[in-house]
Amino acid sequence: DAKTTQPPSMDCAEGRAANLPCNHSTISGNEYVYWYRQIHSQGPQYIIHGLKNNETNEMASLIITEDRKSSTLILPHATLRDTAVYYCIVRVLYNNNDMRFGAGTRLTVKP
Amino acid sequence: DADVTQTPRNRITKTGKRIMLECSQTKGHDRMYWYRQDPGLGLRLIYYSFDVKDINKGEISDGYSVSRQAQAKFSLSLESAIPNQTALYFCATSDGLRQFFGPGTRLTVL
Repeated sequence: DAKTTQPPSMDCAEGRAANLPCNHSTISGNEYVYWYRQIHSQGPQYIIHGLKNNETNEMASLIITEDRKSSTLILPHATLRDTAVYYCIVRVLYNNNDMRFGAGTRLTVKP
Repeated sequence: DADVTQTPRNRITKTGKRIMLECSQTKGHDRMYWYRQDPGLGLRLIYYSFDVKDINKGEISDGYSVSRQAQAKFSLSLESAIPNQTALYFCATSDGLRQFFGPGTRLTVL
């Protein structure tokens, strides 16, 4: 029972912004939107999370629509090292077993 | 994340053998997890533990068992390995907000 829908793949030019969409139309009021990425076959890496307000950290920005049914992860200046699979996950904070990784979006940053 | 280590990093074994994958962490987290990843797919949860005395099954626990020897150590065992357990295995810890993953163990069962 996938809670999120992401495009299977996207390309982005190096130095440009990468905008990765995620649909989560059945999100509950207490569920947060999380983003992780997995570079090649390394362990996934946390990027950012948010509830309803836009969030920004040193890695990325997260834009969540007002109805919370979709969100966009923005990598402002993509580099070749940002080539990875990006996972959008919805979960309740401090819940212990609700990290559901779908297939994610494979982002390829091209020179 | 260097705070979460896994051994071995690669293992090739034969059908029917018992295999143990080990995970250690220095992050001081109580919550630890074992995931499995098959090619082209996301991670699936095998087992998780809230603390030393707590063990919980995840989505795909059949054929696996775990042991939480200490806060810092969480081991995954395959009692009798079979070829469809060939996969990439990840250990993770959590502070409740975020999960921190180890580098993975690539297991091949012939």
